[in-house]
Amino acid sequence: GQQVMQIPQYQHVQEGEDFTTYCNSSTTLSNIQWYKQRPGGHPVFLIQLVKSGEVKKQKRLTFQFGEAKKNSSLHITATQTTDVGTYFCAGTNAGGTSYGKLTFGQGTILTVHP
Amino acid sequence: EAQVTQNPRYLITVTGKKLTVTCSQNMNHEYMSWYRQDPGLGLRQIYYSMNVEVTDKGDVPEGYKVSRKEKRNFPLILESPSPNQTSLYFCASSLPGQARREQYFGPGTRLTVT
Repeated sequence: GQQVMQIPQYQHVQEGEDFTTYCNSSTTLSNIQWYKQRPGGHPVFLIQLVKSGEVKKQKRLTFQFGEAKKNSSLHITATQTTDVGTYFCAGTNAGGTSYGKLTFGQGTILTVHP
Repeated sequence: EAQVTQNPRYLITVTGKKLTVTCSQNMNHEYMSWYRQDPGLGLRQIYYSMNVEVTDKGDVPEGYKVSRKEKRNFPLILESPSPNQTSLYFCASSLPGQARREQYFGPGTRLTVT
């Protein structure tokens, strides 16, 4: 079945440094979503990418969807302590009939040292 | 306020004692889903429902049951819980009947099976 691998599992940065997490799927995706989960909280939707090669920005966050629609990345510029949390990617398979299946990556836990 | 609610938030139970975790959403969403979250494994989909009376298996359905008799409710049933079902459970909902939409998550239910 579909697998979504996310790396790194952990990332420790100093405040002001950049951060990137990568997501790779074993199959072609129809779309990819990114979520953030604060410690003790629930996942909160950040963004969805649909088109091959798509790049979207939200303030200091940049999201990319690969040309082959099998990988994605989230880049945070100049991290702040408010960026602390776990970042997840999640994708649905292209084609087929499993429109309800959503596969999450393992998540990247980001800690930011002030 | 638009939200997904889960009850109970915390539950400690013993092996074999049937339990139900309720999930309700007030956003008139067609799609609902259950996930479990375990360290290092991210979120794994248990079951999902595209609409009333339509449910299907996710990636880890063994040991769980669901029902969708009403649009707003999607309870998760553990007929005979075992210790390996100790986990953090999240319910989520979205429009309109696919996983390819922004997921709204509930606050989570932390289950311990002894």
